[in-house]
Amino acid sequence: DGGITQSPKYLFRKEGQNVTLSCEQNLNHDAMYWYRQDPGQGLRLIYYSQIVNDFQKGDIAEGYSVSREKKESFPLTVTSAQKNPTAFYLCASNPDTPNQPQHFGDGTRLSIL
Amino acid sequence: AQSVTQPDIHITVSEGASLELRCNYSYGATPYLFWYVQSPGQGLQLLLKYFSGDTLVQGIKGFEAEFKRSQSSFNLRKPSVHWSDAAEYFCAVEKGNTGFQKLVFGTGTRLLVSP
Repeated sequence: DGGITQSPKYLFRKEGQNVTLSCEQNLNHDAMYWYRQDPGQGLRLIYYSQIVNDFQKGDIAEGYSVSREKKESFPLTVTSAQKNPTAFYLCASNPDTPNQPQHFGDGTRLSIL
Repeated sequence: AQSVTQPDIHITVSEGASLELRCNYSYGATPYLFWYVQSPGQGLQLLLKYFSGDTLVQGIKGFEAEFKRSQSSFNLRKPSVHWSDAAEYFCAVEKGNTGFQKLVFGTGTRLLVSP
């Protein structure tokens, strides 16, 4: 079955550490997105990518980095510069054609030890 | 700037009763509108979308939504709620109809279903 796989489901980070969240899709979608979800705040866009080797900052990119070396993969690194990283992170994708909604992975919950 | 308001943080509905979740948006032109549902610890699943045409949109799981331009609203409805509908519901708006979508989400409404 086609879909978006996020791993791990739970992740713990020590202060000062960088951690990388994985997002893989086998839907052959061009566009991929990373969102952060906090209680009572809905989803906020961190980074997005429309094609391989290209990505753009979203609304809350500070303290995060991404890469898009392959069409199917869009990993997110939460750096030590992100002072409040505890959140639920969601990856999404959609085809680069009109009227196609985003599909979401099941998310990664990141916590600070 | 676009914005989406979901005025109800929580709603409790008895099983079998009807449901309406409110969504208001702020955008100058006709937006593209979505409703997503999220079960605890899961990702978002698309319930329905409005791009153009008929303002009453049918979705999955028996949900429907009506786009009302005059009220800048896109409320979600279901005639008879089931216990499995308990989840969080998000309304989202997108201003362009290209492959890339910069969605703006509301803060969500948590639906509780009582026996």
